Amino acid sequence: DTAVSQTPKYLVTQMGNDKSIKCEQNLGHDTMYWYKQDSKKFLKIMFSYNNKELIINETVPNRFSPKSPDKAHLNLHINSLELGDSAVYFCASSQYRQTNTGELFFGEGSRLTVL
Amino acid sequence: GEDVEQSLFLSVREGDSSVINCTYTDSSSTYLYWYKQEPGAGLQLLTYIFSNMDMKQDQRLTVLLNKKDKHLSLRIADTQTGDSAIYFCAEIPHGSSNTGKLIFGQGTTLQVKP
Repeated sequence: DTAVSQTPKYLVTQMGNDKSIKCEQNLGHDTMYWYKQDSKKFLKIMFSYNNKELIINETVPNRFSPKSPDKAHLNLHINSLELGDSAVYFCASSQYRQTNTGELFFGEGSRLTVL
Repeated sequence: GEDVEQSLFLSVREGDSSVINCTYTDSSSTYLYWYKQEPGAGLQLLTYIFSNMDMKQDQRLTVLLNKKDKHLSLRIADTQTGDSAIYFCAEIPHGSSNTGKLIFGQGTTLQVKP
């Protein structure tokens, strides 16, 4: 069973479109994250949710809207896609009380290509 | 500030030791981490070190921490082809403990030649 699963794994779309990436974790964790990895492998946090509540929003454009229907799911919706949004988006989860140990469990990533 | 830097590439022969280096800026980081990313996969926590330690050993892995120079290194003994991956150094910046926010370096691609 995959612990943190994301769909789709690959997404190719045109500029201006709206798309969503879904994430689910079956680890019973209460904190979930979205990280963005660009073409140079830089990995930066975008959002963090704890038990459906937004904790971190790292000055991400408001075209990006995360939604957490429950603590096992964190979806990412992106409006009006731009070329610069092309990246690999990683979902991750952790136990809130153990976040200081830095152990995040990552999904396999969703590669978004905007043409 | 929040900044973690690593060299981009390291190539070694199978059986040699690999040393991956990292410098960080936040001297108040409580923990420092090494993550491994295999091709096409997400990151996995490899090991971490508490800031009051100088060294941590875990089988083939040795982590060295020099707090004065804000330098962290990961040594892999007897490197195998299966160790080929990208290795990320990371820290939790000051004021972000209990949020899980990690600042990652750019990653060092380790290539192991047979």
